[in-house]
Amino acid sequence: AQSVTQLDSHVSVSEGTPVLLRCNYSSSYSPSLFWYVQHPNKGLQLLLKYTSAATLVKGINGFEAEFKKSETSFHLTKPSAHMSDAAEYFCAGGATNKLIFGTGTLLAVQP
Amino acid sequence: GAVVSQHPSRVICKSGTSVKIECRSLDFQATTMFWYRQFPKQSLMLMATSNEGSKATYEQGVEKDKFLINHASLTLSTLTVTSAHPEDSSFYICSARVIGRNTEAFFGQGTRLTVV
Repeated sequence: AQSVTQLDSHVSVSEGTPVLLRCNYSSSYSPSLFWYVQHPNKGLQLLLKYTSAATLVKGINGFEAEFKKSETSFHLTKPSAHMSDAAEYFCAGGATNKLIFGTGTLLAVQP
Repeated sequence: GAVVSQHPSRVICKSGTSVKIECRSLDFQATTMFWYRQFPKQSLMLMATSNEGSKATYEQGVEKDKFLINHASLTLSTLTVTSAHPEDSSFYICSARVIGRNTEAFFGQGTRLTVV
C-alpha cells in the first residue's frame, strides 16, 4: 500500500529565512511525487514533481525538493521565505489516476 | 500551463435540493477528471474518477446515487450533489489529466458548498 506522510501540520518561519516542509512516502515501487500549494479557498497549484528523472527537482517560486530513496523522503525547501509563500502545502504521491495526498502543512511567514 | 475552471466557486443551497458543479478544461482535452472533497483543515480525499463517455469509478464509501458524475465531453465533467444535507457542506475540487501527459494533473479552483 502507498502512503504519504507530512510530518508537520504547522510551520512558522520569518520572512527571509529558509523553509523546510517535510514529506515521507511509503511505496512498494518507484513513486511519482508532487508538491502542491493551496491558498485559502483556492484550488491546488503544482509546485513541482518527481518522476524518476533527476532526484533534485526545481519548481516554481524558488521551491525545490530532493527525492531521497534511502530515507523515503521528498522534503520541500526554499532558501528564503516570502510573505506570499504563506499557504497550505500538500505532498502527494502516486500516478495521477490515484493521487494520495498528505494531510497538509500550513506555512506561516512572519514579517 | 493547462487551465481547469470550476463553477461556481461558492454556492449556498437549502437542504433537500440538488447542486451541480462544473469542471471544465479550458485549453486542453481531458480523458479523465477527478473529483475530490476537502473538509476543513484536512487533506483532499478522492471521491471518484470520471472518464469521458463512460461511468465514473467511485471510491469506497462514496455514494454514487448521491454524488452523480457526468463526463459527457473531453472538456466537461459535472458533479451533482443530490438531496443535499448540511453534512455535505465541504470544499469540492476537480482535477483533469492531459491526454498524452499522464504525469500531469491540473486542479480547478474549487467550489465551497454550504447546505443550510
